[in-house]
Amino acid sequence: QSVPSQPPSASGTPGQRVTISCSGSYSNIGTNTVNWYQQFPGTTPRLIIYSNNLRPSGVPIRFSGSRSGTSASLAISGLQSGDEADYYCASWDDSQKAVVFGGGTKLTVL
Amino acid sequence: QVELQESGPGLVKPSETLSLACVVSGYPISRGYHWTWVRQPPGKGLEWMASSHPSGTTYYNPSLKSRLTISLDTSKNRFSLKMTSVTAADTAVYYCARDERHCSGGVCPGIDVWGQGTTVTVSS
Repeated sequence: QSVPSQPPSASGTPGQRVTISCSGSYSNIGTNTVNWYQQFPGTTPRLIIYSNNLRPSGVPIRFSGSRSGTSASLAISGLQSGDEADYYCASWDDSQKAVVFGGGTKLTVL
Repeated sequence: QVELQESGPGLVKPSETLSLACVVSGYPISRGYHWTWVRQPPGKGLEWMASSHPSGTTYYNPSLKSRLTISLDTSKNRFSLKMTSVTAADTAVYYCARDERHCSGGVCPGIDVWGQGTTVTVSS
C-alpha cells in the first residue's frame, strides 16, 4: 500500500514552533482532506485536526493544519513538554479505495 | 456520546483465523458511518485495514484484502473483522473506529472516534 511520507522525527524547544510535513499524491492528499492524529505511548490515537485545518473541540489553538497540493502540514506553536508524542496524517486514497496513514512522526521536546 | 469497545482472543496461533468484535454504544450502526478497523504493530505506525457502511459499501486495504472479512451486526450493534492465515507479522493492537466519510459543506470529519484497542499476539 502506498502511503504518505512523514519525517520519522521532529524536535523543538519549549515555546518554539514546529512543523510536521506529510507528503502524499494526487489520489490522496491532492484530492481528499487530511486528518492529523496525536498518540501518546500506550494510548489511543486522538484526532487533533480534521478536514485539513479544523480543530475538534478541546484541541488547543496552538495546533493548526494546512494543505497545499499533494502535501499537508501540522504546526504546533508554543511547544510544551506535553506535546511530546507521535503524530500521524491520514487521508482517503481514491486509487487504492482505502484510508492511508502517514508513517508517523515522533515529536521530541528538548 | 458514541463509544466503541473491541474484544479479541489475545493469543492466536500461526495459520489460524483471528476474529475481532467491536461493540458500539450511543449510536445505532445501522444509521450510518463507515465502521473501521485499524491496527498498530508494536513500535510501528497505524495501518488502516477495512471499513463497512450499513449501505453495504465495504472497503479493504489492498495488501490485506485476500485475508479479511468485515461485517456489521445491526441487531447487536456491533461489527466484526476476521483475518485468515495469521502470522507473527499480524501481532498488533487492533482498534475499531468510526469514520465519517461524508463531506458536508467541504468539511470531512474522517476517523473521529476510536476504541481503546485490543492486543493480539500471534504465537505458537
